[in-house]
Amino acid sequence: AQKVTQAQTEISVVEKEDVTLDCVYETRDTTYYLFWYKQPPSGELVFLIRRNSFDEQNEISGRYSWNFQKSTSSFNFTITASQVVDSAVYFCALTNNQAGTALIFGKGTTLSVSS
Amino acid sequence: EPEVTQTPSHQVTQMGQEVILRCVPISNHLYFYWYRQILGQKVEFLVSFYNNEISEKSEIFDDQFSVERPDGSNFTLKIRSTKLEDSAMYFCASGNDQGQETQYFGPGTRLLVL
Repeated sequence: AQKVTQAQTEISVVEKEDVTLDCVYETRDTTYYLFWYKQPPSGELVFLIRRNSFDEQNEISGRYSWNFQKSTSSFNFTITASQVVDSAVYFCALTNNQAGTALIFGKGTTLSVSS
Repeated sequence: EPEVTQTPSHQVTQMGQEVILRCVPISNHLYFYWYRQILGQKVEFLVSFYNNEISEKSEIFDDQFSVERPDGSNFTLKIRSTKLEDSAMYFCASGNDQGQETQYFGPGTRLLVL
């Protein structure tokens, strides 16, 4: 069975601090995809990144970076120099390589950035 | 940029009533999904739909639920007889590849059952 664990329920930081959101996954599939989504207070789900299981290269996009490590089944997300607008719930999600199958979400981490 | 749209944004209904939630997926996408999120909880998969058939469904998606693509653009979720516990945010998503495509989510419909 597939499972995503986001052990951090809530994180509070002050603006300009760096913050890392942890994601640990479980799957028996050799090919799978990992995602991060952002859910701001307005409620929509915003896609941030997709990573397949064969691509362990870390990725940086502006202040966001992702560290994928198959050895520890982790796909962590770091926000550098956090801003108030980063305040949201962040979800890590997992799916296998079969079309039309479910995204399995973690419980989410609520990030609060204060000024 | 193309996006998934959902109507209505909010719906209040009485227990036992039928509701239909509507979605317009991104136009060249082939796979369609419904998820729900009970307030403060994680996002849960309900059903996926491809080529006018259900591809996969979860345990939540019981006989009270149905999906339909009535025309070339809309994708609907019907709840036949709503219960209090159906109160949630319902998200539609769509994707466009044969493989595990990214699922792009609509803004959601907040359903409140009284």
